[in-house]
Amino acid sequence: AQSVSQHNHHVILSEAASLELGCNYSYGGTVNLFWYVQYPGQHLQLLLKYFSGDPLVKGIKGFEAEFIKSKFSFNLRKPSVQWSDTAEYFCAVNENFNKFYFGSGTKLNVKP
Amino acid sequence: DGGITQSPKYLFRKEGQNVTLSCEQNLNHDAMYWYRQDPGQGLRLIYYSQIVNDFQKGDIAEGYSVSREKKESFPLTVTSAQKNPTAFYLCASTPWASGANVLTFGAGSRLTVL
Repeated sequence: AQSVSQHNHHVILSEAASLELGCNYSYGGTVNLFWYVQYPGQHLQLLLKYFSGDPLVKGIKGFEAEFIKSKFSFNLRKPSVQWSDTAEYFCAVNENFNKFYFGSGTKLNVKP
Repeated sequence: DGGITQSPKYLFRKEGQNVTLSCEQNLNHDAMYWYRQDPGQGLRLIYYSQIVNDFQKGDIAEGYSVSREKKESFPLTVTSAQKNPTAFYLCASTPWASGANVLTFGAGSRLTVL
């Protein structure tokens, strides 16, 4: 079975700091990659996705992620975080187009 | 508005009781999923269904059961056989059973066993 690793369980940053959250997966074949975000009290929602093409993908709210196939990684970045980015972030992988596997999540607290 | 409706939002259950969580979608999506979310463990797949009247076990199906009699509905029953049922349960759907899909989630149901 697929495994998805998120290295940081809890990250605390000040506003305007840069963010990078790590994500690695184990499957060696063709995968689709996602980052989902769960703001306090809200639904899980899609932040960005990679299906094919340009390995640098841009999502909502200034987030981006880079797919590095050789490293089995899909790290999430944002140059300057805001207090409103406080949330839990989940990396997910979809193999064989049906089952989605999620990482354990990273809680981000941004201090105003 | 199209979306996924889960009910109830909060549910309390005594040990030994079965409980059914409802999931309804009006997105006309083919595939539906049930996940369990526990702190520090992310989301784990319980069951999924790619088509009406068919479903498959996920990674943690023991103690759970599902049905898919209608395209828009995918209820989850947490049985008394589930040893640690207190959790946050999320229902999700995708437009197709295969292909480049994106999961859409409901708001979740929080089950507490007393």
